[in-house]
Amino acid sequence: QKEVEQNSGPLSVPEGAIASLNCTYSDRGSQSFFWYRQYSGKSPELIMSIYSNGDKEDGRFTAQLNKASQYVSLLIRDSQPSDSATYLCAVKGTGGGNKLTFGTGTQLKVEL
Amino acid sequence: KAGVTQTPRYLIKTRGQQVTLSCSPISGHRSVSWYQQTPGQGLQFLFEYFSETQRNKGNFPGRFSGRQFSNSRSEMNVSTLELGDSALYLCASSWTGFTDTGELFFGEGSRLTVL
Repeated sequence: QKEVEQNSGPLSVPEGAIASLNCTYSDRGSQSFFWYRQYSGKSPELIMSIYSNGDKEDGRFTAQLNKASQYVSLLIRDSQPSDSATYLCAVKGTGGGNKLTFGTGTQLKVEL
Repeated sequence: KAGVTQTPRYLIKTRGQQVTLSCSPISGHRSVSWYQQTPGQGLQFLFEYFSETQRNKGNFPGRFSGRQFSNSRSEMNVSTLELGDSALYLCASSWTGFTDTGELFFGEGSRLTVL
């Protein structure tokens, strides 16, 4: 079992729709969770971090965390073609430091 | 505020050679991490340095090594290159105050091709 799992996609949504990206993790003691966006040929960019159960909203993005189910999700409202990218879920485990374990990413395509 | 700077951006080496990659973190960031990204494996953690000390290490062979200098700049070295070492090597820095937030800011990466 992979430590952080994501559906590789591609996930295709029409412009203006809600895109829902999901991630599960295996380390029950994990405390910090992140979503990164990576455009083709570019490096990952942090878009959301979430540390406690529930929802966290930032503009069109909402991160959701359910530690009991070991599940993290990212909702993108009013999806735009510029949102087309690979979204990486990352988890910081119980050890010290800033070591993150990444999922392999979900490719999102927003179609006109 | 300048971002994370990695050099060189692209390089081509042959099997058996060694390579050194450099990373300058965001000013004020004392934690520097290195990741290898390949199409098949995704982002794999190599190691993290903080205050010139390695404090986390991933599951890579000893051919992969790194260090951090007093100004927080970091280098990683890969010796005896193998074809499978071809990858994008990403450096990320993080501000570390009272706690490690885990929020990483990545450089543009060094793309290594081993022939």
